[in-house]
Amino acid sequence: EVQLVESGGGLVKPGGSLRLSCAASGFTFNNTWMSWVRQAPGKGLEWVGRIKSKADGGTTDYAAPVKGRFTISRDDSKNTLYLQMNSLKTEDTALYYCTTGGWELPVWGQGTTVTVSS
Amino acid sequence: DVVMTQSPLSLPVTLGQPASISCRSSQSLVYSDGITYLNWFQQRPGQSPRRLIYKVSNRDSGVPDRFSGSGSGTDFTLKISRVEAEDVGVYYCMQGTHWPTFGQGTKVEIK
Repeated sequence: EVQLVESGGGLVKPGGSLRLSCAASGFTFNNTWMSWVRQAPGKGLEWVGRIKSKADGGTTDYAAPVKGRFTISRDDSKNTLYLQMNSLKTEDTALYYCTTGGWELPVWGQGTTVTVSS
Repeated sequence: DVVMTQSPLSLPVTLGQPASISCRSSQSLVYSDGITYLNWFQQRPGQSPRRLIYKVSNRDSGVPDRFSGSGSGTDFTLKISRVEAEDVGVYYCMQGTHWPTFGQGTKVEIK
């Protein structure tokens, strides 16, 4: 069974940092592009960014609101995806989902909540 | 960025009746390979999103055949032939042809 389990969310002050993790199982992780999508409380879905498989270059792309502050990485030996979030703003408060694919997004985790507040 | 505009934003439906959601993009979603990367997602209350439809009209495994997707270019539609109670939730279109963007969501509720 394909499964994605996010962790690492929590409460952080504006300007702070947080690293989210996504543990993947049930599919060939190292061949799969991966994405992060977020959802602010009571709002819609917002694509955060993606990372290609190493075979496709391993490069990353980011949405404008997070570019330069967020970094997506992967450890294929651990089947784990990461989202390093720096210089956090109150508007980054959201439920963060890990998903498979770069745009197809067929499988989603349950999400982990990030709250940025003083 | 490509703007995805859904309508209506709220859709009260009678059980057993059809429902239709429109999604329009600010640019053509036909990629250079000729494929249109338009997905539809369902988010039931308290749950993660679930993909229903990919590349305009392809149903994901396990998705009931009462769901169908259609459209081309900049104009797309998700139809539910007969709404059931389990269909309550928010539906999002999403394009992957350009930098991925989602529509605002359409809330489907039972009258």
